[in-house]
Parts: sequence; structure tokens; C-alpha cells
Amino acid sequence: EIVMTQSPDSLAVSLGERATINCKSSQSVLYSSNNKNYLAWYQQKPGLPPKLLISWASTRASGVPDRFSGSGSGTDFSLTISSLQAEDVAVYYCHQYYSPPLTFGGGTKVEIK
Amino acid sequence: EVQLVESGGGLVQPGGSLRLSCVASGFTLSRYWMHWVRQAPGEGLVWVSRINSDGSTIDYADSVKGRFTISRDNAENTLYLQMNSLRVEDTAFYYCARDDRSGLYGDYVGYWGQGTLVTVSS
Repeated sequence: EIVMTQSPDSLAVSLGERATINCKSSQSVLYSSNNKNYLAWYQQKPGLPPKLLISWASTRASGVPDRFSGSGSGTDFSLTISSLQAEDVAVYYCHQYYSPPLTFGGGTKVEIK
Repeated sequence: EVQLVESGGGLVQPGGSLRLSCVASGFTLSRYWMHWVRQAPGEGLVWVSRINSDGSTIDYADSVKGRFTISRDNAENTLYLQMNSLRVEDTAFYYCARDDRSGLYGDYVGYWGQGTLVTVSS
């Protein structure tokens, strides 16, 4: 099983400032035959199901603001919110779909400082 | 519009069984891999199981293997999760979810239902 480790568990950022969340996988999720990283990011607000933000490590889902960006390859990945807005307060999860059993990171709670 | 509506949750005693259903609408169920993902109250997301478009390929998390069975009825636009030998630690919201894109190979989850709560307690 691929273990996904996120850091930090929580972070508080001022409005308009940058927030960065890290995700490390216990083995590579880069598929060599197509050079794609099987890594997604989700945002979950209280009382709601998760929402897809990023797939293939860096491809924003439809309708996701461009202040959200994903980067990384192999085993180390990041989600960056370039200018935090009040509506970005949520828990963020990374997720590998490279091989079953599929796994999620433990989540990172983002709050306003 | 893609819609996934779960039902079947409730209170069950340890060792008991429950069957969850997920009715899909707004798309052709037979074209997509489908998943169950759970979340204990106040905790993180845990992937449970997935099934390919025709039911011929199924994967499970180790924690539920041998106790839970995923299945689908494409003609009825419904996904199922049969849960047996339930444990207190199975208490969670159970989300039905769909791959973002249709295809032969499993993909990332793009759509989620609202979830149904399963409580295992004596």
C-alpha cells in the first residue's frame, strides 16, 4: 500500500498570503509509460463532500480558480494557494490513484490567521 | 448534471450487516468506474473500494477485504456496498463517487455524493 503523508497537519495564513501544503508518497506515483503522476488534490469544507481541485499533480479541474496550483513529481508534491481567500478555509487532501488500494493523505486544515 | 444519491445508512450492532445503495443520474453509469470512500466523523478520507464499468475488476482496502462487497446494476443505475461483520471502527459517512472520466483504466474521483452515515454501536 502506498502511504501518503501530508504536512503540516494545519496552517494559519493571513488573507492574501501564500499557503503551501506538502504531500509525500511512500513510493513513486509517476507512471513511466505516459510520464504522468497519478496524484490528485481535493478540498473539503465542513458538512460537504470533497471537491476535486487538481489531477495529474498539476492540472486544475474545471472552474477551479488559478490561485490554486499543484506541483511535484515522483514522491514529492505540493499544493499552493497563491493568495488565500476567506472561502479557501477548508481541509485539503492529496490522493494517489497509481495503484490499489488507492489512498489519501491525512489532510491539512487551512485557516485564516 | 451528475448526481449520486446514497441511501441505506443507519444504526447497526457490531457483527451486523447493512447494504448501501447509490443511485446515479445525469450520466451513463455503465461507462464509469465507481468508488466508495468513507470518513469517520471529524476524521480524514479513507478509500474503501472501486469497481470497473462492467463489474469484472474490483479492488478493496485491506481493512474491509473479506467483509465488504461492492457491486453494481448498470440497468438500474445503482451502485451497492454490502457490509457484513461490521465493527465499531466502520462507523463513518460513506460516500459514493465516480471517476472523473470514462475509460478502461481506473482514474481519479471527480464526482461525489452527499454521503450516508453508518453507525456501528451496541
